[in-house]
Amino acid sequence: AQSVTQLDSQVPVFEEAPVELRCNYSSSVSVYLFWYVQYPNQGLQLLLKYLSGSTLVKGINGFEAEFNKSQTSFHLRKPSVHISDTAEYFCAVSDPNTDKLIFGTGTRLQVFP
Amino acid sequence: SQTIHQWPATLVQPVGSPLSLECTVEGTSNPNLYWYRQAAGRGLQLLFYSVGIGQISSEVPQNLSASRPQDRQFILSSKKLLLSDSGFYLCAWSVKSGSGDTEAFFGQGTRLTVV
Repeated sequence: AQSVTQLDSQVPVFEEAPVELRCNYSSSVSVYLFWYVQYPNQGLQLLLKYLSGSTLVKGINGFEAEFNKSQTSFHLRKPSVHISDTAEYFCAVSDPNTDKLIFGTGTRLQVFP
Repeated sequence: SQTIHQWPATLVQPVGSPLSLECTVEGTSNPNLYWYRQAAGRGLQLLFYSVGIGQISSEVPQNLSASRPQDRQFILSSKKLLLSDSGFYLCAWSVKSGSGDTEAFFGQGTRLTVV
């Protein structure tokens, strides 16, 4: 079975600073990896996804993530954050035999002026 | 274009009362449908997953049930709510791929408070 671990429950950062949100996954087979963002009291929207090919994936709002198979990681990064990036970020893995999406516990990114 | 409707947005229910949350999808056919619950510090917990009418996979034992009476309708129910059922419930759909190569689209969620 697949699982996802997001070690950081909260990440505080000042505006225009870089940020990295960590995600590690566990799976015995190849998987697809996703990052979703949730703004307060809303549903989730897709930031980016890794399916295959280049290990560096670029998404919306200036975010990118790097797939590292040896470390089973898929960390999310942004070189310079904005106040508007304050939100909850979820890493997810999908079962390759179905379309089930399994999410991590989320990381709350708080950007301060 | 595809849209997903989930209602109500907020709900306050007494312990022991029944529950029915409805989710409908427009603009697509034969989607995968999901119910998730979000509780503080626990992320998104997959509750139910459906690949077709009448086909429901229950992911965790609990006080809830789900039904899919129509292709694009997914209902979350309970006969008697518990305090622990409080949370933020999210419905989602995805295009069927069968390989995991798919993106999930979420509704706006229902904030359920059991009192």
